[in-house]
Amino acid sequence: NAGVMQNPRHLVRRRGQEARLRCSPMKGHSHVYWYRQLPEEGLKFMVYLQKENIIDESGMPKERFSAEFPKEGPSILRIQQVVRGDSAAYFCASSPGTGELNSPLHFGNGTRLTVT
Amino acid sequence: AQSVTQLGSHVSVSEGALVLLRCNYSSSVPPYLFWYVQYPNQGLQLLLKYTTGATLVKGINGFEAEFKKSETSFHLTKPSAHMSDAAEYFCAQTSGGSNYKLTFGKGTLLTVNP
Repeated sequence: NAGVMQNPRHLVRRRGQEARLRCSPMKGHSHVYWYRQLPEEGLKFMVYLQKENIIDESGMPKERFSAEFPKEGPSILRIQQVVRGDSAAYFCASSPGTGELNSPLHFGNGTRLTVT
Repeated sequence: AQSVTQLGSHVSVSEGALVLLRCNYSSSVPPYLFWYVQYPNQGLQLLLKYTTGATLVKGINGFEAEFKKSETSFHLTKPSAHMSDAAEYFCAQTSGGSNYKLTFGKGTLLTVNP
């Protein structure tokens, strides 16, 4: 039973390039969440999506960042015109439901983005 | 704003010794509290959670945590450390009772010495 799959594991981009991070939720999970972990910081919530809908993007920077979860295929976190401050580990999590404390989040192994 | 404070960014113990990782939360409403473990280059794995009911919560791998409202604490303990426990541990709480908008502490790196 595959867990949450994220790719790539490591991504290097030069300043000004675009970064695309992919996340396939666990089988049977229709809710996806993205978190960012800056160096020596805890994870911070970015966005919550269900299929074809953004439910909560209150943690997402207003510019350059976008996320989608199409009807088919993985969820994508897209960062345009990356800057050095975007260097971080980006974690995706999924759950079968939301707001239900009996369906905890399952996290992927993360994508480590380095901006040079 | 809610916050989670983990006292000690690095804790070192000997194999077989008691593990104590401290976590204090701030919340204006009854919190739901979690401990996650992150092994090197891996994602976070849920160790245990407190929602309601019994304040002593048992998790996987022999860990447990006690919710103390009077101290706003949720410290993680294990009676006897094992080498395989070496990892980073994160305490987290939810915002407004939801399950997904977790507020995390900065983490505590646990090293276990032989």
